[in-house]
Amino acid sequence: QQQVKQSPQSLIVQKGGISIINCAYENTAFDYFPWYQQFPGKGPALLIAIRPDVSEKKEGRFTISFNKSAKQFSLHIMDSQPGDSATYFCAARKGNYGQNFVFGPGTRLSVLP
Amino acid sequence: KAGVTQTPRYLIKTRGQQVTLSCSPISGHRSVSWYQQTPGQGLQFLFEYFSETQRNKGNFPGRFSGRQFSNSRSEMNVSTLELGDSALYLCASSLVGAGEQFFGPGTRLTVL
Repeated sequence: QQQVKQSPQSLIVQKGGISIINCAYENTAFDYFPWYQQFPGKGPALLIAIRPDVSEKKEGRFTISFNKSAKQFSLHIMDSQPGDSATYFCAARKGNYGQNFVFGPGTRLSVLP
Repeated sequence: KAGVTQTPRYLIKTRGQQVTLSCSPISGHRSVSWYQQTPGQGLQFLFEYFSETQRNKGNFPGRFSGRQFSNSRSEMNVSTLELGDSALYLCASSLVGAGEQFFGPGTRLTVL
C-alpha cells in the first residue's frame, strides 16, 4: 500500500515529441504528488507537483494529469528537448507536513536530437 | 544562496565499520531529510529532522541513525556496515518541512 508504481522504466523520444510517464498508487491517504528530475551526479530537483483536488497542472512544457478515482497520475513533457534527458521520479506523501515521501522507481528519458 | 552541501562526496568503507555523513542545509531551512538511493530499491526515505527533533522515520534498521544540530546541520550514522548499504545517500532541506525540498548532490558510499 505504500508503493508507487511507475512506467515505463525507460523512454526514448525524438526532439519535439511528447514524453509521457505514468504513476499509480494504492494508498488513498496520499495527498501530495510531486515529480522530480535527476541528472547524473546530481540530486533530484522538484519539477512540478499536484494535490488531488486538482485534475491538471501545467508549468511551461510540463503538465501533470491526475485521476483520483483511478489513483493514477502522469507527467507530460511537451516539445521534448535533448536537455530533458534525465531520470524522472514520481512521488507521494501523506499528511500535511514532513518529507517522508514514497518514490516511484524512476524513468530514464532519452530525447534524441 | 548556497545550496545543500554534503560531505564527503565519496566514501569507501569495509564491512563492519561505521560511517558518518554530514549535510549542511540551505541557510534558513530547518527541516533536513535523508534518503538512500540504490539501483535496486530506488529512492527510500530514511528520516527527517526538524528543529533538532526526529519527526519522521522510514523503514530502516536501527543501524541507521541521525541527528540535527542547533544550526540545522545534520549528520547520519550507519554502524556495522553491510555490503547492501552501498548507495548514494541524499540529504534534502526545506524551510518548514511542508514545502519544496532541495536535494544535495549526495554522498556515494561503497562498502567492500
